[in-house]
Amino acid sequence: QQQVKQSPQSLIVQKGGISIINCAYENTAFDYFPWYQQFPGKGPALLIAIRPDVSEKKEGRFTISFNKSAKQFSLHIMDSQPGDSATYFCAASSRTGTASKLTFGTGTRLQVTL
Amino acid sequence: DVKVTQSSRYLVKRTGEKVFLECVQDMDHENMFWYRQDPGLGLRLIYFSYDVKMKEKGDIPEGYSVSREKKERFSLILESASTNQTSMYLCASSPHSPKLAGVLGEQYFGPGTRLTVT
Repeated sequence: QQQVKQSPQSLIVQKGGISIINCAYENTAFDYFPWYQQFPGKGPALLIAIRPDVSEKKEGRFTISFNKSAKQFSLHIMDSQPGDSATYFCAASSRTGTASKLTFGTGTRLQVTL
Repeated sequence: DVKVTQSSRYLVKRTGEKVFLECVQDMDHENMFWYRQDPGLGLRLIYFSYDVKMKEKGDIPEGYSVSREKKERFSLILESASTNQTSMYLCASSPHSPKLAGVLGEQYFGPGTRLTVT
């Protein structure tokens, strides 16, 4: 079963608009929630991340909103640009010994049009 | 900069062949991971290793095995490739201590190997 559910599967936003991607999780043992960005032909790269004791984190045009009671979190991209066109994955981390395991959502393909 | 390299970008193999995918990282990371990426399914963890010669099953280990003989190298093995193993395979690494990572739990990914089994 999918432990981290992500929506929408694809998203088209006009340049300058706001892109919003939503994720929900079930496992309360998750202790860290990163977002990864993947461009075609590349591996995913960390974009921004949040701990569950924080409700919001902002880095430039990217903001994570986190609702612990609802077990939901979302990525907002303000003033979306064509260079933001990529696939975005939410993830949830859990500790296994000395490693942090990531459980990924199914991904959202974002296209920002001119 | 962390660099994770994978031996091939594209690979075509026949059903029943034994397939080796190699991954090398240059940042002295203790943890290494193998994922497969499929459209609509995201990234799914196959195996990971937290130390040399140590391995743990991920969420979808069936049909795969791994080998970690050196700290910098993690191999994924398909003992007898099948068509349902056609996929993009991604390797990642991360350090043990969160103090050493830029962000807790950050994993650094290679560019991926697109494997086609015919």
